[in-house]
Amino acid sequence: KQEVTQIPAALSVPEGENLVLNCSFTDSAIYNLQWFRQDPGKGLTSLLLIQSSQREQTSGRLNASLDKSSGRSTLYIAASQPGDSATYLCAVRSQGGKLIFGQGTELSVKP
Amino acid sequence: GAVVSQHPSWVICKSGTSVKIECRSLDFQATTMFWYRQFPKQSLMLMATSNEGSKATYEQGVEKDKFLINHASLTLSTLTVTSAHPEDSSFYICSARVSDGYYEQYFGPGTRLTVT
Repeated sequence: KQEVTQIPAALSVPEGENLVLNCSFTDSAIYNLQWFRQDPGKGLTSLLLIQSSQREQTSGRLNASLDKSSGRSTLYIAASQPGDSATYLCAVRSQGGKLIFGQGTELSVKP
Repeated sequence: GAVVSQHPSWVICKSGTSVKIECRSLDFQATTMFWYRQFPKQSLMLMATSNEGSKATYEQGVEKDKFLINHASLTLSTLTVTSAHPEDSSFYICSARVSDGYYEQYFGPGTRLTVT
């Protein structure tokens, strides 16, 4: 059974810092991995999608890497801003098609 | 980009009544839609997967008679919570998948259900 773990559960940083969010999964037989952002009381916004054959994806200040063999992904946020404050969710799609979510990392960027 | 809408965004109902939540893919056709439930400070839990024109597939532990799902068209899926009880109060989020080989999922804004 696929399990997805995100560390840390919560993170508070001063504005301008670069930071890394971690995601690990137990079954390396994945189809792809997706990072989402969720603001309080809102739905999910897709940030980056990495196919199983890819190593990383970049979008603006965000960079996500995937090491399928070790069951790890990281989301790197450069030059963090208060507007980046949200919960970040990692989800892996198994070969069966279901998206399995981690518990999320609650990020707070202090001005 | 792909947009998914939900209606209503929030609803309050009395215990014992039924509530219907709509999920629409606005600018794409979604052969597969998903319904998730999220409790405060917790992650999303998949309730069921629906494919257009066929019966939904429910996850273990989800009562299919209580959570009725209909996927009548390629752009609309509905979730009906029947005989709602306070423990059904939660944040319900739908998602639609683009069938383009990349299988990226797009999520709706969620519906906050409160049962009094």
